[in-house]
Amino acid sequence: DVKVTQSSRYLVKRTGEKVFLECVQDMDHENMFWYRQDPGLGLRLIYFSYDVKMKEKGDIPEGYSVSREKKERFSLILESASTNQTSMYLCASSLLSREDFWDTEAFFGQGTRLTVV
Amino acid sequence: AQSVTQPDIHITVSEGASLELRCNYSYGATPYLFWYVQSPGQGLQLLLKYFSGDTLVQGIKGFEAEFKRSQSSFNLRKPSVHWSDAAEYFCAVAPRGGYNKLIFGAGTRLAVHP
Repeated sequence: DVKVTQSSRYLVKRTGEKVFLECVQDMDHENMFWYRQDPGLGLRLIYFSYDVKMKEKGDIPEGYSVSREKKERFSLILESASTNQTSMYLCASSLLSREDFWDTEAFFGQGTRLTVV
Repeated sequence: AQSVTQPDIHITVSEGASLELRCNYSYGATPYLFWYVQSPGQGLQLLLKYFSGDTLVQGIKGFEAEFKRSQSSFNLRKPSVHWSDAAEYFCAVAPRGGYNKLIFGAGTRLAVHP
């Protein structure tokens, strides 16, 4: 059974703290993604990675950074947490699509609900 | 700019009634198309996907979706809704080839009346 595991379901952090959200997948997927989910806004892409040590900014990268040192692990870092980063964070992974390979279904973790106080 | 629009934020239907959730996309070329469902407190689950071929695709839980190129739409349908279908539904697109960045719509929250 495919699996994307996020290290915490709930986190409470203080303003200004450095926060690490961890995500691990066991499917040997090339692509990994971090989204934040807010009511009425859907899922917005923060960063994604298509290979080890490779990363691309998504739609809302400000205030975040990422790290991908190993293929199976993708970390989201809040350098200095702020209250407007209180949200649900979702990690996902998928195979890299190629011209002759059509299966790009993304698998999601259960999410981390982060509260910054 | 690439975008996905789900025009209905909330929809309420009676149990047993039919359902259609709308999704329109703005993309240079036909992307991959997906519908995901998120039940309360749960992660996202894939309902169905369109890559190519038959424009009517069947998914899990009795859902289907129809791709209409001329309308840039990928609407989700179910002929008879069950109370357990109450959830939030997300339409998503990803470009063909490359790095498959998934872009989501804002979601439609479905309530089901008994």
